[in-house]
Amino acid sequence: DAGVIQSPRHEVTEMGQEVTLRCKPISGHNSLFWYRQTMMRGLELLIYFNNNVPIDDSGMPEDRFSAKMPNASFSTLKIQPSEPRDSAVYFCASTFGLADYEQYFGPGTRLTVT
Amino acid sequence: GENVEQHPSTLSVQEGDSAVIKCTYSDSASNYFPWYKQELGKRPQLIIDIRSNVGEKKDQRIAVTLNKTAKHFSLHITETQPEDSAVYFCAAIRGAGNKLTFGGGTRVLVKP
Repeated sequence: DAGVIQSPRHEVTEMGQEVTLRCKPISGHNSLFWYRQTMMRGLELLIYFNNNVPIDDSGMPEDRFSAKMPNASFSTLKIQPSEPRDSAVYFCASTFGLADYEQYFGPGTRLTVT
Repeated sequence: GENVEQHPSTLSVQEGDSAVIKCTYSDSASNYFPWYKQELGKRPQLIIDIRSNVGEKKDQRIAVTLNKTAKHFSLHITETQPEDSAVYFCAAIRGAGNKLTFGGGTRVLVKP
């Protein structure tokens, strides 16, 4: 298995632009997580899907952030408009079951907003 | 919600010595406690986990202990090697329908 796939791996954009991050979970996994990692705030859960349905989105910072999971093999995290404070590494992770099982992380997308 | 505190934030040890990282959690109903290792520039990867019905778990040079009464759990790495240098994160969750909450991480440096 190729593992969790994320694209792009690096994204540099200007403040105000729309950014879309993509994730393909491991085939057969039914839970998907979006995390943000920064030096200041550590590893934070943004949103958690189970069977394509959002279970917990309490970590989504504000209305500028949105996430979708249209099917079992694809999810997007969109930031519109982007701001410099959104600069971080965004990880997608997946698991078979719910959040209390091993989560397999993707390689991450390093986002820089200038 | 759950709050997980992790100490120390950095740990430097001599190769061959042991390393211990401690975490405390706030929600007494938490029942799953994983540990993830993140090497520089890489993704977090699970190294060991423990559930609340077990007090200790061991896998080769790593072990985790859980004290439910005190609401703390620890990671022990014995005979440290340079490849153990990484950031280690503890986490806790109160049941499957909830979210995993991570500690702030411990940067471990193993000096040859």
